[in-house]
Amino acid sequence: EVHLVESGGGLVQPGGSLRLSCAASGFTFSAYSMNWVRQAPGKGLEWLSYIVGPSTTIYYADSVKGRFTIFRDNAKNSLYLQMNSLRAEDTAMYYCARDHNYGFDMWGQGTMVTVSS
Amino acid sequence: DIQMTQSPSFVSASVGDRVIITCRASRVINNCFAWYQQKPGKAPKLLIYYTSNLQSGVPSRFSGSGSGTDITLTITSLQPEDSATYYCHQGNTFPWTFGQGTKVEVK
Repeated sequence: EVHLVESGGGLVQPGGSLRLSCAASGFTFSAYSMNWVRQAPGKGLEWLSYIVGPSTTIYYADSVKGRFTIFRDNAKNSLYLQMNSLRAEDTAMYYCARDHNYGFDMWGQGTMVTVSS
Repeated sequence: DIQMTQSPSFVSASVGDRVIITCRASRVINNCFAWYQQKPGKAPKLLIYYTSNLQSGVPSRFSGSGSGTDITLTITSLQPEDSATYYCHQGNTFPWTFGQGTKVEVK
């Protein structure tokens, strides 16, 4: 069965760092581009970052550019999001999502990040 | 950035009704639209990709159409389990963007 499982969320102080992980199973991870998408409490969806299978192409939303870094380890079937200089407005549920045919056809269950002092 | 303007923001309809949700992109997109359904406390679920293609396992009462800047999601014969928030998405140009969401209430 195809699965994405995020982990690494938690409570962090403003200015702090956190690394999120997304473990993939049930499909050939290296063949797919992957994304991070977040959702602030009670708000809509916000795309954050995209990475192709061989990691040769990466894109970021302006809201996280320079603070967040997406990377992957295909040998471990894992996707990551390194988040630095966190702000209160980064408080959200963070999802990893598989890219397919101009849509996100698989999503993890999400991991919650709370930025607060 | 391409803005996605979704309407209405809320719709209340009865079982069996037809519901239409619209999204307008701020510029022409080459059919790279998708629609998602999200229920409270759950991750979004892909319903429609590339404007009109039904994702595997999604009931046929969901359909997508449109071109250029305007797309629609139609739910024919609304069911109780369709109560959710629906989002459109453009995957044509980075940064990818979503509509604001439409909450569908089933009376």
